[in-house]
Amino acid sequence: EDKVVQSPLSLVVHEGDTVTLNCSYEVTNFRSLLWYKQEKKAPTFLFMLTSSGIEKKSGRLSSILDKKELFSILNITATQTGDSAIYLCAVEAATGGFKTIFGAGTRLFVKA
Amino acid sequence: DTEVTQTPKHLVMGMTNKKSLKCEQHMGHRAMYWYKQKAKKPPELMFVYSYEKLSINESVPSRFSPECPNSSLLNLHLHALQPEDSALYLCASSPILPRGERGEKLFFGSGTQLSVL
Repeated sequence: EDKVVQSPLSLVVHEGDTVTLNCSYEVTNFRSLLWYKQEKKAPTFLFMLTSSGIEKKSGRLSSILDKKELFSILNITATQTGDSAIYLCAVEAATGGFKTIFGAGTRLFVKA
Repeated sequence: DTEVTQTPKHLVMGMTNKKSLKCEQHMGHRAMYWYKQKAKKPPELMFVYSYEKLSINESVPSRFSPECPNSSLLNLHLHALQPEDSALYLCASSPILPRGERGEKLFFGSGTQLSVL
């Protein structure tokens, strides 16, 4: 059965800390891995990763994929209170056309 | 316009009511989705429309009835729901389906928080 597992499930840090969020997966016919940030309601897109070892970066956020070990990490440096959100990892699999499998998310709370 | 707009934002309904959720996008996307998200759980796919035709139904009970009147609009008609159907209902769109490099990013609406009494 296809699955995506995120860890930790929740995390509390102080402003300025660096955090690493993990996503491991087991899917058939992997196509890509995506990270989304869900603050209040709508998940918003952060990164899409398709190739191993190539870091994607946007400001203080960065992410990398390891297709051999089947995992990805999302790093946030110099965290701010505005980074408080649920971070969702989703894997796209080419199964019966396509299939999106979401992880349970990591709930991050950044204290001032 | 890079938004997916959902209405209403909140809905409370009884088990005998009939209501509809609406979703609209003007990005020219040809794939639209309904997801259901319970508290502290990931979004679960319900339906996918591709070029206004139902492409995927993830074995959703018939009390949920999707409709895609045109390429910009997606509705979800609700009838005789159960309390366990209370959840956040998210609409999303993507440029095309099947999704390749262009299409794999989903654009989500803010959702409708549904409570069934």
